[in-house]
Amino acid sequence: AQKVTQAQTEISVVEKEDVTLDCVYETRDTTYYLFWYKQPPSGELVFLIRRNSFDEQNEISGRYSWNFQKSTSSFNFTITASQVVDSAVYFCALSEARAAGNKLTFGGGTRVLVKP
Amino acid sequence: GAGVSQTPSNKVTEKGKYVELRCDPISGHTALYWYRQSLGQGPEFLIYFQGTGAADDSGLPNDRFFAVRPEGSVSTLKIQRTERGDSAVYLCASSLEGRGTEAFFGQGTRLTVV
Repeated sequence: AQKVTQAQTEISVVEKEDVTLDCVYETRDTTYYLFWYKQPPSGELVFLIRRNSFDEQNEISGRYSWNFQKSTSSFNFTITASQVVDSAVYFCALSEARAAGNKLTFGGGTRVLVKP
Repeated sequence: GAGVSQTPSNKVTEKGKYVELRCDPISGHTALYWYRQSLGQGPEFLIYFQGTGAADDSGLPNDRFFAVRPEGSVSTLKIQRTERGDSAVYLCASSLEGRGTEAFFGQGTRLTVV
């Protein structure tokens, strides 16, 4: 069965520090999709990025970057030069192609606290 | 509407009562999902609708939980004989069909069973 593990439950940093969030996944499917979502205190999950299993190219979007490594089943997320507004819970999620629709399996989340 | 809308935002009910939670997806999104998020945990899948039909209801915890989407748009999650363990945030999401498309989430309904 599919599984997503986010080993870090909470990370606290001072503004402008970099922070890396770890995500390790398990799946038997050869085609799958990985996602990162941000959940600010308001509660709404905000989509950040999607990666398919055939595209291992790393991606950078502003201060955000993602490192996908199939060899270690990891999809890590780095926030560079963190800001107070980055404080939130971040979730990594997996969707298998063989599943109906795009059902997501989420990790437990990592709470990021950025202090001024 | 611009995003996924869920009502009510908060619901307090007594143990044993019946509740309905409503989700209004993004216009044109044929796929609709319900998730449940307990405190300090990630969301857990409950049910997926493709149009009007439930294509995957494997996440519903028991037969007290039921969901409908009669016209392929608004969906209602129904919980009978509520228990204290049902207390959680219930999240609705919608998306376009197609593998790997991102889901857009509502702000959730916080259900508290007392």
